[in-house]
Amino acid sequence: DVVMTQSPLSLPVTLGQPASISCRPNQSLEHSDGNTYLNWFQQRPGQSPRRLIYKVSNRDSGVPDRFSGSGSGTDFTLKFSRVEADDVGVYYCMQGTHWPYTFGQGTKLEIK
Amino acid sequence: VQLVESGGGLVKPGESLRLSCAASGFNCNNAWMSWVRQTPGKGLEWVGRIKDESEGGTTDFAAPVKGRFTISRDDSKNMLSLQMNSLKTEDTGVYYCTTGTWLQSDYWGQGTLVTVSS
Repeated sequence: DVVMTQSPLSLPVTLGQPASISCRPNQSLEHSDGNTYLNWFQQRPGQSPRRLIYKVSNRDSGVPDRFSGSGSGTDFTLKFSRVEADDVGVYYCMQGTHWPYTFGQGTKLEIK
Repeated sequence: VQLVESGGGLVKPGESLRLSCAASGFNCNNAWMSWVRQTPGKGLEWVGRIKDESEGGTTDFAAPVKGRFTISRDDSKNMLSLQMNSLKTEDTGVYYCTTGTWLQSDYWGQGTLVTVSS
């Protein structure tokens, strides 16, 4: 299975400051069909995962433009241009290029 | 669009449980549907998926559940099911159904809790 390694696992951030989360799979996520199947999810306590970004850099409807995704191959990043209080939660990357789909361990974002 | 899971509960190791997911607000005929679980031991884990009928309705499972879990769909009722046999304590967790993973819109249910304990 593809192992998705996220860093950091804990991310204390000051309100209004930028932040980023790294996701490194142990295999390339470039599919033979030309797509790269890498999603980012946010999960708040007691809630289902909510997708923020799909296929590396496509922002979901309703997701603020201060969230952005980038990367290729084995190196991906979720960036927050400025962190807001509403962003508190756990963030997961997830790959779907190889079966089974796998998630990262999660990064817990908290406000300093 | 709504996905609503049901069927969770407390069972003993070795027993079986069947989860259901009712879809409303969209026609799941052409949708791949999946089950994802969140366990204390492994976090988020993709359990299995079922392709739409045009792609044969075939299923794929993660190794820890292969041979014990089956997924079925009834598109006439917009329903998805997860049959779980020979349950183990490590199967304890919240089970979500989801669809649209790689599309412009994806959907998740609220989850149903499965507890396997003697």
